[in-house]
Amino acid sequence: AQTVTQSQPEMSVQEAETVTLSCTYDTSESDYYLFWYKQPPSRQMILVIRQEAYKQQNATENRFSVNFQKAAKSFSLKISDSQLGDAAMYFCASSNSGYALNFGKGTSLLVTP
Amino acid sequence: DTGVSQDPRHKITKRGQNVTFRCDPISEHNRLYWYRQTLGQGPEFLTYFQNEAQLEKSRLLSDRFSAERPKGSFSTLEIQRTEQGDSAMYLCASSLWGGDTEAFFGQGTRLTVV
Repeated sequence: AQTVTQSQPEMSVQEAETVTLSCTYDTSESDYYLFWYKQPPSRQMILVIRQEAYKQQNATENRFSVNFQKAAKSFSLKISDSQLGDAAMYFCASSNSGYALNFGKGTSLLVTP
Repeated sequence: DTGVSQDPRHKITKRGQNVTFRCDPISEHNRLYWYRQTLGQGPEFLTYFQNEAQLEKSRLLSDRFSAERPKGSFSTLEIQRTEQGDSAMYLCASSLWGGDTEAFFGQGTRLTVV
């Protein structure tokens, strides 16, 4: 079984600043995938970034990047140059080779002007 | 294609009634997932289909829950004899087969059992 833990229920960042959201996971699988999803208020969940566990290089998508520490089973999300539109719930998730996603409890990100 | 569509968006029902939700996935996606999300929690996996085959249903919350995907297109999730604890957001997602493929989510159906 896979478990995902997000220890920060809420985070706050000022516009244009950088924020890091934490995530740890536990799995016995050797082949797995990690994701960060964003859920804006009353809107559907969208994928922010993904990481294949066999890749050592950290994934980046524009202002979003991850710090993947496989031995520590840590997968944090860094948002640079934060924008008001980044305010949302952020969920860390894992999956085994196409199986369903296992989500953490989420981190609510507040962006202040 | 406008993405994953769920209907209805909101449902209020009396305890003991049956409810059915519909999900229309992105047309070329062969995988379809159902999740439940309660307040303050992340989505919890319920079941999934590859085409018309239901490949995992042991995570359905009780035998009151059932899902179908006839002909591998749209899917329905039915809850029989609803209870107040069934109140939640029910999310549908679809994807192509593959470990790292992106799952696209619908906006969900919010169920309130009174």
